[in-house]
Amino acid sequence: GQSLEQPSEVTAVEGAIVQINCTYQTSGFYGLSWYQQHDGGAPTFLSYNALDGLEETGRFSSFLSRSDSYGYLLLQELQMKDSASYFCAVRGPSGGSYIPTFGRGTSLIVHP
Amino acid sequence: DGGITQSPKYLFRKEGQNVTLSCEQNLNHDAMYWYRQDPGQGLRLIYYSQIVNDFQKGDIAEGYSVSREKKESFPLTVTSAQKNPTAFYLCASSVSETGNNEQFFGPGTRLTVL
Repeated sequence: GQSLEQPSEVTAVEGAIVQINCTYQTSGFYGLSWYQQHDGGAPTFLSYNALDGLEETGRFSSFLSRSDSYGYLLLQELQMKDSASYFCAVRGPSGGSYIPTFGRGTSLIVHP
Repeated sequence: DGGITQSPKYLFRKEGQNVTLSCEQNLNHDAMYWYRQDPGQGLRLIYYSQIVNDFQKGDIAEGYSVSREKKESFPLTVTSAQKNPTAFYLCASSVSETGNNEQFFGPGTRLTVL
């Protein structure tokens, strides 16, 4: 099976940079994804890493190190609207399929 | 507009009653998923389906049932056998389970069992 660890809460101020870490254990690895979820809303896809390195999408970047079973989401130029929960999800083998397992989520609180 | 719809947004039921949550997508996606989310928790997979007329149990399938008679629809029934059914239920779909497996989520149904 798969398991993931990420911090439960991170706080930062508007305009700052914040990094949300995710470590995982999986019997087979097929990619690490990140999702954002505002309170009461639906999760939305942010990024996906299958290979080592940094993927950049605007203010958000995601990094993966497969040898360390570790990844992070980097949010730059924080805005109040970035206050949300962020979930990492790892894809691994499960009953012949490759479905993602989600972490418990990190609540990001952005202060003015 | 393409997307996923779930209805209703809020649902109240008495203990011991079965209830069916609707999930429809017009994205032409092959794969569909049902997740349960409890306060402060991540998403836990209940059932998933990669193709019509086929579905697989996820991590917490006990007390739930699904059907996939049409590509667009993947209803979830919460049965009376589910011991703690009050939760936020999210339906999702993806093109397939390959590639980046980007999942598109519906707005969710918040079920409260009284």
